[in-house]
Amino acid sequence: DVKVTQSSRYLVKRTGEKVFLECVQDMDHENMFWYRQDPGLGLRLIYFSYDVKMKEKGDIPEGYSVSREKKERFSLILESASTNQTSMYLCASSLEPNTEAFFGQGTRLTVV
Amino acid sequence: GQQLNQSPQSMFIQEGEDVSMNCTSSSIFNTWLWYKQDPGEGPVLLIALYKAGELTSNGRLTAQFGITRKDSFLNISASIPSDVGIYFCAGYYSGGSNYKLTFGKGTLLTVNP
Repeated sequence: DVKVTQSSRYLVKRTGEKVFLECVQDMDHENMFWYRQDPGLGLRLIYFSYDVKMKEKGDIPEGYSVSREKKERFSLILESASTNQTSMYLCASSLEPNTEAFFGQGTRLTVV
Repeated sequence: GQQLNQSPQSMFIQEGEDVSMNCTSSSIFNTWLWYKQDPGEGPVLLIALYKAGELTSNGRLTAQFGITRKDSFLNISASIPSDVGIYFCAGYYSGGSNYKLTFGKGTLLTVNP
């Protein structure tokens, strides 16, 4: 089975802090994704990566950056956390374009 | 962006009943995916569909890729309490990014034991 593991289930951070969300997949997938999920807004794509060191902006990249130094690991960085970044963050991976994506268990981030 | 219209928004059924939900779009899709999400968890992939007309089962779940490529449905037979959750359709539409999934807004399923 594909396993996508996010480093934290719950995080509470202060406004202005730099926040790192880590994601690891164990299936040698090429593509990795970061989404946030908010009530009424659904899942929105923040960034994705189709190869090591390659990244593309999704639909809502403002306030975020990403890092993919190794194929199995994709990090989401909140440069200066703000309360409007309180959300459920979901990492996903897929083997090829246009194929099924597998999600991690999610990180519930609260910024106070 | 593209819209996926998922219906119904919610369902409240008795254990043992069959369930049907669907997604429609004005765009042609290359891939249809169905996910289930439990509260506080990430979505779990149920079924992936890649060809128009394809009908695929996964236990009590059956999903079909519509012939027009603009719709898909998911059926759950003989529902049980653990079927409770939010079901999402998702897909990649023709002419869009091969990396960006479009999601429906979800169907909240409640099963009364």
